[in-house]
Amino acid sequence: QVHLQESGPGLVKPSETLSLTCTVSGFSISSGYYWGWIRQPPGKGLEWIENIDHTGSSYYNPSLRSRVTVSVDTSTNQFSLKMTSVTAADTAVYYCGRVRRGSTDPFDYWGQGTLVIVTS
Amino acid sequence: DIQMTQSPSTLSASVGDRVTITCRASQSIVSWLAWYQQKPGKAPKLLIYDASSLESGVPSRFSGSGSGTEFTLSITSLQPDDFATYYCQQYHYYYSFGQGTKLEIK
Repeated sequence: QVHLQESGPGLVKPSETLSLTCTVSGFSISSGYYWGWIRQPPGKGLEWIENIDHTGSSYYNPSLRSRVTVSVDTSTNQFSLKMTSVTAADTAVYYCGRVRRGSTDPFDYWGQGTLVIVTS
Repeated sequence: DIQMTQSPSTLSASVGDRVTITCRASQSIVSWLAWYQQKPGKAPKLLIYDASSLESGVPSRFSGSGSGTEFTLSITSLQPDDFATYYCQQYHYYYSFGQGTKLEIK
């Protein structure tokens, strides 16, 4: 069974960098799937951030691309997100997920999500 | 960007009812549309992909239809577990989500 778990600081100061890691268990991150990040501000809708595969091939949301860096570590079966210059608008629950097929398909497995609050 | 608009924003219904949620795209997305169910404090759950294909393990009372710019999610014989928020998602060009439809108990 595929299991994803997000981890990282729950509080980040404005203008600093948000860093999150998604650990995948029960499935190899190198098995040819894409993996992605999605966020949801409290009480609001969903926003896609990026997708990446085990080779590092990635797709970014154009509106966030300038602030986002993603990476993958096949040795630890993890992928990571870094978002620079955060503001209060980046406060959200951040989810990681597995893309069902191809590079941009629905997400069939999701982590439980981790709340990141941007506050001084 | 492809904009996705769901209607209604809130829907009140009773157990046993049949309900329909509509999702409209700002341009044709062919059939590249998914539906998710989300309960408070939980991650979204994939219900439907490719507009009308039922994800494995999802009850058959859920169905999707449509193509081009207009799509619907139907739930027949509502069960207590179905009261949640539903989102559509296009994946024709990157991704974008609808704003959500909250299905509440009447």
